[in-house]
Amino acid sequence: DVKVTQSSRYLVKRTGEKVFLECVQDMDHENMFWYRQDPGLGLRLIYFSYDVKMKEKGDIPEGYSVSREKKERFSLILESASTNQTSMYLCASTRTGRSYEQYFGPGTRLTVT
Amino acid sequence: GNSVTQMEGPVTLSEEAFLTINCTYTATGYPSLFWYVQYPGEGLQLLLKATKADDKGSNKGFEATYRKETTSFHLEKGSVQVSDSAVYFCALSDRNSAGKSTFGDGTTLTVKP
Repeated sequence: DVKVTQSSRYLVKRTGEKVFLECVQDMDHENMFWYRQDPGLGLRLIYFSYDVKMKEKGDIPEGYSVSREKKERFSLILESASTNQTSMYLCASTRTGRSYEQYFGPGTRLTVT
Repeated sequence: GNSVTQMEGPVTLSEEAFLTINCTYTATGYPSLFWYVQYPGEGLQLLLKATKADDKGSNKGFEATYRKETTSFHLEKGSVQVSDSAVYFCALSDRNSAGKSTFGDGTTLTVKP
């Protein structure tokens, strides 16, 4: 069974801390994504990566960076966490091919105090 | 660019009622279409998909037909259960978007016994 895992289900951090969210997929997918999900705003794409060491900005990249050193792992970094980054963060992956259905991790609920 | 518009929620139904959640799309190419479901506290999971015009996707009693003439992909189920209570997202992807998907805002369904 295909699997996308995220390092934490719940995380509480203080304002100004550096935060790492890790995502790992076991499906050998080329493409990986980070979204944030907020009530009333749907899913918003932060960054995506279509290959190792390759990344592109999504719709809301400000305040975030990413790293993809290995094909199976895609990390989201909050350089200096702020309270407006309190959110649900979802990682997803997809194979390059015909239909591009995305496989999602369970999400990380991040609270910044 | 691509866009997805889905029926606003929330939707509240009694058990065994008929469900329709409308979804229309705008796309420049020939997209694949998806419905994802998100149960409380979890990530999204693929419910069904259709990759070309007139295809019908189906799963767990849910169905949706890819209608190119009306650019629609409405989700239907003949008899909903309490366990179907979730948020439903319509989405599309195409080969020109490097694996990215465009999501609707989500429709919250609550089924009451």
